[in-house]
Amino acid sequence: GAGVSQTPSNKVTEKGKYVELRCDPISGHTALYWYRQSLGQGPEFLIYFQGTGAADDSGLPNDRFFAVRPEGSVSTLKIQRTERGDSAVYLCASSLGGGREETQYFGPGTRLLVL
Amino acid sequence: AQSVTQPDIHITVSEGASLELRCNYSYGATPYLFWYVQSPGQGLQLLLKYFSGDTLVQGIKGFEAEFKRSQSSFNLRKPSVHWSDAAEYFCAVGPLTGGGNKLTFGTGTQLKVEL
Repeated sequence: GAGVSQTPSNKVTEKGKYVELRCDPISGHTALYWYRQSLGQGPEFLIYFQGTGAADDSGLPNDRFFAVRPEGSVSTLKIQRTERGDSAVYLCASSLGGGREETQYFGPGTRLLVL
Repeated sequence: AQSVTQPDIHITVSEGASLELRCNYSYGATPYLFWYVQSPGQGLQLLLKYFSGDTLVQGIKGFEAEFKRSQSSFNLRKPSVHWSDAAEYFCAVGPLTGGGNKLTFGTGTQLKVEL
């Protein structure tokens, strides 16, 4: 079946602009995660959804970052007033139910460049 | 806070040689441990995971890892490396408690395979 998909694959924007990044998880997966991977670093956790609700948003760096998952499937990560430091690869992952033993399946990521 | 250390940023091995990638974690109890591989343009793929039981874990693509509580380590090994194994490898640890499975990743080890 289809894996996790993310769109766009690349996004170039200007400082101060607003961007939306989309994630389509594997069908039937209730848990969805967003991570951010800066150059030369491992992925860093941003937010975790269980169904429609954000169960853990402790990794969001500030209030310019927001994410939604209104129907418990597709999720959108929204970044307001982008800054050059937001440039990174944004990864989405999903798992069946959110259990700690479960495998997270990652999408290919969206590479965001803020000029 | 939990942390994961991958001491080797880059490793080069010859095709057919054995491989060991190091991972150390900082944790008060036995965590859930994971190894992921990231190839260019691909999403992170799970190689193997450890929760409990037998400390030698077998994964995909001929990889294995051994959990050593006394050394707080979870090193990844492969007896004979193939050129297609060239990629970046990430060790990760899951949370001890709470819902969801937000992973904490190391900074990664870039593997180069010489033909």
